[in-house]
Amino acid sequence: DAGITQSPRHKVTETGTPVTLRCHQTENHRYMYWYRQDPGHGLRLIHYSYGVKDTDKGEVSDGYSVSRSKTEDFLLTLESATSSQTSVYFCAIGTGSPGEKLFFGSGTQLSVL
Amino acid sequence: SQQGEEDPQALSIQEGENATMNCSYKTSINNLQWYRQNSGRGLVHLILIRSNEREKHSGRLRVTLDTSKKSSSLLITASRAADTASYFCATDAGFQKLVFGTGTRLLVSP
Repeated sequence: DAGITQSPRHKVTETGTPVTLRCHQTENHRYMYWYRQDPGHGLRLIHYSYGVKDTDKGEVSDGYSVSRSKTEDFLLTLESATSSQTSVYFCAIGTGSPGEKLFFGSGTQLSVL
Repeated sequence: SQQGEEDPQALSIQEGENATMNCSYKTSINNLQWYRQNSGRGLVHLILIRSNEREKHSGRLRVTLDTSKKSSSLLITASRAADTASYFCATDAGFQKLVFGTGTRLLVSP
């Protein structure tokens, strides 16, 4: 998957616990994105980053925070997981050039019980 | 809110038949992309069409764009079982963000 590694691939956690998902890229792309995928909603953008320490909110950012301290790593944190955050989370990377395609990781299946 | 909406939500055909799926969007765009997602995997880019283009081909794929109707279509000719996947349109919402539709699930039976 184009030099993108998401970890963990699967996680089960309990409501109220913090969870951090990691996206690691080896492509040196400037832009990194976190999407969630839910039945009937397609993919929705949570947060994205356009450089180290430069991040911005997406469509469904409530309850999520992100950090990017290195070009290659983009972390997504659920401060206090809720059942509504049960989803498949995808990381994507891009060059940032207008109209350029994104490359996606294989996803993280998160279940919040 | 979703920018793109695909139609139909699901499509079942036989190998060798053509598959057509449509995408409608709400606002002006710079370009529109189509992605494929195999079960349990991430999305893979298929083709991009710019707002000043009306049609584009790539192998067995043909994409059309009608900016006056804010719609696009993806045609897969001579479908194969390996084409079974979900297909998503994505529009460039500016600031290098893509907004995805809800997808069309395509099943191609041998």
